[in-house]
Amino acid sequence: ETGVTQTPRHLVMGMTNKKSLKCEQHLGHNAMYWYKQSAKKPLELMFVYNFKEQTENNSVPSRFSPECPNSSHLFLHLHTLQPEDSALYLCASSLGQVNQPQHFGDGTRLSIL
Amino acid sequence: GQQVMQIPQYQHVQEGEDFTTYCNSSTTLSNIQWYKQRPGGHPVFLIQLVKSGEVKKQKRLTFQFGEAKKNSSLHITATQTTDVGTYFCAGTSGTYKYIFGTGTRLKVLA
Repeated sequence: ETGVTQTPRHLVMGMTNKKSLKCEQHLGHNAMYWYKQSAKKPLELMFVYNFKEQTENNSVPSRFSPECPNSSHLFLHLHTLQPEDSALYLCASSLGQVNQPQHFGDGTRLSIL
Repeated sequence: GQQVMQIPQYQHVQEGEDFTTYCNSSTTLSNIQWYKQRPGGHPVFLIQLVKSGEVKKQKRLTFQFGEAKKNSSLHITATQTTDVGTYFCAGTSGTYKYIFGTGTRLKVLA
């Protein structure tokens, strides 16, 4: 139990589908992150939220749309994805944005058909 | 842009042997973090280094931050099968944006 819960754990979707990934943290943290982890590539930071405000968008295509309704919840809305978007999507949280350890969820394994 | 490279990419060791992974940044870092990811798992925070030349130990693990704050290393003494996983460094140049290294995958043969 990491304190960061991601659902679903696995998701298979077609390129025309719309789906959402959910992340919830029970650690009282203020910052939340989305990362993409592909095989043989380092973790890629996608989005950062601090106190519900987006503070980083790392040149992510618009087919990925994040939402942070409060400091405990983070969503990643997906639409018209491409096969190269198949990856493990990891959510993380930290107490603050600077110099704080990040706590990761177990991730959502996404496969695009 | 900032890049963080790790070497080696893979390492197989016999149980009981030592292991070292090196992390090199293209820019000076304000601090560096180390994470471990077990196969099928998620990254777990190990430690953070902030000061130039800093050395920290956690049981059999020794972490070092270079004098120029552009490189770091993780050394494991007498590896055990529980050390299996991928070790990542993550550095920041003063913002909240951490750049993760390419990772070193460690296999320990019993």
